[in-house]
Amino acid sequence: GAGVSQSPSNKVTEKGKDVELRCDPISGHTALYWYRQSLGQGLEFLIYFQGNSAPDKSGLPSDRFSAERTGGSVSTLTIQRTQQEDSAVYLCASSRQGPGELFFGEGSRLTVL
Amino acid sequence: QKEVEQNSGPLSVPEGAIASLNCTYSDRGSQSFFWYRQYSGKSPELIMFIYSNGDKEDGRFTAQLNKASQYVSLLIRDSQPSDSATYLCAASFSGGYNKLIFGAGTRLAVHP
Repeated sequence: GAGVSQSPSNKVTEKGKDVELRCDPISGHTALYWYRQSLGQGLEFLIYFQGNSAPDKSGLPSDRFSAERTGGSVSTLTIQRTQQEDSAVYLCASSRQGPGELFFGEGSRLTVL
Repeated sequence: QKEVEQNSGPLSVPEGAIASLNCTYSDRGSQSFFWYRQYSGKSPELIMFIYSNGDKEDGRFTAQLNKASQYVSLLIRDSQPSDSATYLCAASFSGGYNKLIFGAGTRLAVHP
């Protein structure tokens, strides 16, 4: 596709359930980022992929969060045993290489009841 | 903890005025700086980047960087109501990995 695609756009889940968020970056973009944005807040860095490798996972809030990227393309962010504080918009972005221009997807809004 | 600090605002300016948005960063090794605009309910989009000390102009926008003071600013000339948005400042992290650290953003309101 022409832009970064994320799914689902909205997800409502019950506390304790697992969720998977998907990101399809712009074709040819080797760098992929996950950020989290809580209501009225800035962007919180979660994880960065270069190709299929994640050299920086420092932003993952806890071991309930994990992410993978396959084929240098699609990435999945998994949150296990969701908590209410996980409620936020999860934004994926890609760029050609490093932290140049990031192209963001529309985000996945997660609500944990 | 490497941080990027911004005044949350709102910054209210009349149409046609100059809006001045400011940002400071703590990572002295940061090399690249970016301004993103985020409309309510939308994802951020890049409007300016700057790597060298001094000014960089692009249309109505001017980015200013002072690495000695660890200060970045964005000037918007002839502000329009359509400029009303949240402006996010971002700095590259110098710790060896390619990531941007974002500030919390400044909300700009341009009133007619």
